[in-house]
Amino acid sequence: DARVTQTPRHKVTEMGQEVTMRCQPILGHNTVFWYRQTMMQGLELLAYFRNRAPLDDSGMPKDRFSAEMPDATLATLKIQPSEPRDSAVYFCASGLNSGAKNIQYFGAGTRLSVL
Amino acid sequence: KQEVTQIPAALSVPEGENLVLNCSFTDSAIYNLQWFRQDPGKGLTSLLLIQSSQREQTSGRLNASLDKSSGRSTLYIAASQPGDSATYLCAVTNQAGTALIFGKGTTLSVSS
Repeated sequence: DARVTQTPRHKVTEMGQEVTMRCQPILGHNTVFWYRQTMMQGLELLAYFRNRAPLDDSGMPKDRFSAEMPDATLATLKIQPSEPRDSAVYFCASGLNSGAKNIQYFGAGTRLSVL
Repeated sequence: KQEVTQIPAALSVPEGENLVLNCSFTDSAIYNLQWFRQDPGKGLTSLLLIQSSQREQTSGRLNASLDKSSGRSTLYIAASQPGDSATYLCAVTNQAGTALIFGKGTTLSVSS
């Protein structure tokens, strides 16, 4: 059963520390998305890639966040330095940019708490 | 800028009731619309996807309709069950393969 895998599932860290979240998209999917979910803002796009190239990172605070796809099987989201306001659930999703279906499949998320 | 609104924010119903969840969007030029389910502490599960050229999609007890011109979609759940308790999210894309724009969801509680 193909699925998007995110690690870690939970992360507790102190303010100022670096945080790295990883995502393994579904094999064969060419588009990867990073979303953040908070109680106040709901789900919002941070960045997304197609064929490993970044297409839109306008939702990401550039001074502390960075997103990369070192290869087709791994996407990373880094926060350095982390701040308490970064506490949220971070979701990765993958999909195919083809035709009408265009369904995005979501991972279980990384729940980040910055103390 | 596309905005998605879901009403109500929360809904409590007794088991067996039919119910409707509402979703509205400000820009009618959407590519498609998806309804998701999210259980507490879990990821999102896609329930139904309606392409912009379609009017409705059905899956089991779920039926989603789309009225693009008025910027509205509804999710109809028939004969609700306690297992339907979850948060339901509506999301649109403006172009193929682009990011989803989400509403804040409706949290449904079905009591037995």
